[in-house]
Amino acid sequence: EAEVAQSPRYKITEKSQAVAFWCDPISGHATLYWYRQILGQGPELLVQFQDESVVDDSQLPKDRFSAERLKGVDSTLKIQPAELGDSAMYLCASSYGDSSGNTIYFGEGSWLTVV
Amino acid sequence: GNSVTQMEGPVTLSEEAFLTINCTYTATGYPSLFWYVQYPGEGLQLLLKATKADDKGSNKGFEATYRKETTSFHLEKGSVQVSDSAVYFCALGPYGNNRLAFGKGNQVVVIP
Repeated sequence: EAEVAQSPRYKITEKSQAVAFWCDPISGHATLYWYRQILGQGPELLVQFQDESVVDDSQLPKDRFSAERLKGVDSTLKIQPAELGDSAMYLCASSYGDSSGNTIYFGEGSWLTVV
Repeated sequence: GNSVTQMEGPVTLSEEAFLTINCTYTATGYPSLFWYVQYPGEGLQLLLKATKADDKGSNKGFEATYRKETTSFHLEKGSVQVSDSAVYFCALGPYGNNRLAFGKGNQVVVIP
């Protein structure tokens, strides 16, 4: 069964350092999402791509976070500089399209600990 | 706005017990409702969904019915197993561009 691939699974970084996460969606899925899940809470959408274009980044802290999907396939989420409050799981997800009824599939997530 | 509220606190129960996790929602329009499950150290997996009022979603012995009159989508399982230990998230959507709104999740611990 096709899966959303993410790496790294776990990352420990010092405050003020840069960190990056990579995601490869299910083949053929045009829509890609990055969610952040703080421990004890539900996921919250950070950014959504339709192919290579950003369609929603209203919740992305743009002063330190950036995301790209240059060729409309895989994607990178970067944090620079990292802060203690960024410690969370970063979940990538994908769907066939952005229309109602398209199931969203999640990857296993990337755990970030900022020390 | 669109939001989901799940009952507070973890749920601990014995194997073969009956499980209920409450979920209520606030939404504009006619969203679909979902239950996602997150096993320890893993990402979210879609457990079941319902796309319109009175629909019942079911999977792996879990069921939930979309109740528009009570704006609820409670998750139930008649006889839980230790392997059902996980965090369960209720979600609604899509809205906007296929966005989902998640509840805070409930940790379920099943004791042998």
